[in-house]
Formats: sequence, structure tokens, C-alpha cells
Amino acid sequence: DIQMTQSPSSLSASLGDRVTITCRASQTILNYLSWYQQQPGKAPKLLIYSVSRLESGVPSRFSANESGTDFTLTISGLQPEDFATYYCQQTYSTPYTFGRGTKLDIK
Amino acid sequence: QVQLVESGGGLVKPGGSLRLSCVGSGFSFSDYYMNWIRQSPGKGLEWLSYIGSTGSTTFYADSVKDRFTISRDNAKNSLDLQMSGLSADDTGIYYCAAGRRRITRDGPDWDDFWGQGTLVTVSS
Repeated sequence: DIQMTQSPSSLSASLGDRVTITCRASQTILNYLSWYQQQPGKAPKLLIYSVSRLESGVPSRFSANESGTDFTLTISGLQPEDFATYYCQQTYSTPYTFGRGTKLDIK
Repeated sequence: QVQLVESGGGLVKPGGSLRLSCVGSGFSFSDYYMNWIRQSPGKGLEWLSYIGSTGSTTFYADSVKDRFTISRDNAKNSLDLQMSGLSADDTGIYYCAAGRRRITRDGPDWDDFWGQGTLVTVSS
């Protein structure tokens, strides 16, 4: 199974800050990497797919990149609605594993 | 609008069975592959099972293989998850999720959306 090691597990930041979340895959996953945002009590919502492509309607302050098997999600200029939990997921091969999540809260 | 609605969750005793359903509306259900994903209390997300758009291809996580069966009825826009041999470890919110991937002139174009989830509690 492909392991997705996500860090940090939690992060405190202020409005307007820039934050970065990282996921490392245990082996190559090509471009089969997505990022999800989950608000408390809600289902996860796709933010970014195929490593760096923004889902329709997602603000441009969200961006993502990759370097080999390391993947990053960056939020530039945090807004109140961005404080949530973020997950990466690989869909290169089954089981389609998720990272353990990063909880982003207000400092 | 695009919608997925899960049902069938509830309280079940260890060793028991349960059938979850998910009905889609507002999109061409038969064009989408489907997944079931679980979120255990206070924990992260665990992918459980996949079924292709026609129903001919299925995959399972080892944790549910041989206990869970995924199926779909495209005529009814519905997806099911038949669960048996349940234990406390199966407690959680079960989400169905629809997906579609295309290649356009501008590159990959993925669709992905989830239902609101249904809670399964396994307890005596």
C-alpha cells in the first residue's frame, strides 16, 4: 500500500497568513494527488486535483505543487472560511490512501 | 443541483449486517465511478471501496474485503454497500462519493463530490 505522510498534523495561523501543508508519498503516484478541505460536521470537499489543478469555484489563494513524491498545498492570505481540516489523497493505486489530515485553526 | 444522499446507517450489534444506500441526482450517474469512504470518530478518512461506472470493476480495502460488497443500479441512480461481520472498528460516518475524470484540451478535468454521510454505530 502507498503511505501518505502528511504534516503538520495541526497548524495555528492568523488571518492573512500564508501556510503550507505537505504530503509525502511512499512511492511514485505520478499526478494522482488530490487535496480536500473538511469543515466540522461536513463532508470533505475537493479543492485541488491532479496535483495542482484548482477545482471550479476554489479561490486562487489556494495553490499546490509537487517535487517528486513530495506534494504541497499552500494557502496565501488566510480567510476565516479556510480554518478547517485538510487531507491529501492518492488515487494512483488501490487502496486510495489519505493523509492523516492537518487541522488548521486560528492563532 | 448535484446531490448524493446516503441512507441506511444506524445502530447494529457486533457481528451484524447493514446495507447502506446512496442515491444521486442532478448529474449523469452512469458516467461516474463511485467510492465509499469512512470516517471513524475523531479520526481521518479511510477509503473502503470503488466501483466503476458500469459496475463491472470493483476494488476493496483489505479491512473490508470479504465482508463488504459494493454494487450499483444505474437505472435507479443508486449505489449500495452491503456490510456484514461488523465490529466496533466499523463504527463511523460512511460517505459515498462520485467521480469522473476527463482529458480536455486544457489538460485533466476531474469531477468529485460527496454525500453528507450516514452514521453507522456498531455496539452491543
